[in-house]
Amino acid sequence: TQLLEQSPQFLSIQEGENLTVYCNSSSVFSSLQWYRQEPGEGPVLLVTVVTGGEVKKLKRLTFQFGDARKDSSLHITAAQPGDTGLYLCAGQNTNAGKSTFGDGTTLTVKP
Amino acid sequence: EAQVTQNPRYLITVTGKKLTVTCSQNMNHEYMSWYRQDPGLGLRQIYYSMNVEVTDKGDVPEGYKVSRKEKRNFPLILESPSPNQTSLYFCASSPSSYEQYFGPGTRLTVT
Repeated sequence: TQLLEQSPQFLSIQEGENLTVYCNSSSVFSSLQWYRQEPGEGPVLLVTVVTGGEVKKLKRLTFQFGDARKDSSLHITAAQPGDTGLYLCAGQNTNAGKSTFGDGTTLTVKP
Repeated sequence: EAQVTQNPRYLITVTGKKLTVTCSQNMNHEYMSWYRQDPGLGLRQIYYSMNVEVTDKGDVPEGYKVSRKEKRNFPLILESPSPNQTSLYFCASSPSSYEQYFGPGTRLTVT
């Protein structure tokens, strides 16, 4: 079973601060996604990365896929209270349909 | 509106009483999956389906059954529920086996 480890598990910061969340594995993934989940709702897709070294930006969020496709990071600039939520990474290998999720990072942004 | 629907949203049942949680998507996606989410354990894949009549086990399939007779529907069946199956369940669909679109969740309690 492939494993994805996320760090930190919990993060509490003030509005306006920057932060980085990490998703690491000893396995190679063919693609990786980041999701955000709010209480009582299903995860919502933020981004998919498929190429080693790829960097994608979504407004104040920057996603990076490691060169070896074993790790990824999510960087948020000038965090806002609306960024509060559970951030999950998920990866797939060549077995189409099979997905592995990390345990998540719970982010709290205080006004 | 493109969406994944699950029913019921909440269910309290007793040990051994067979139940079915329905999942339907209106996006014509080929891939569908079921997950359970437990505190400290993240999202774990139960079963997934690559197309009609094609299903495969995820990481935690014991005690569950699925079927995919139509492209839009992917029901999750618990033949004899036990208390350790108390959890929050999510159905997801995907056009490509990568990015997934999640339903709102079903909170199941087995007493």
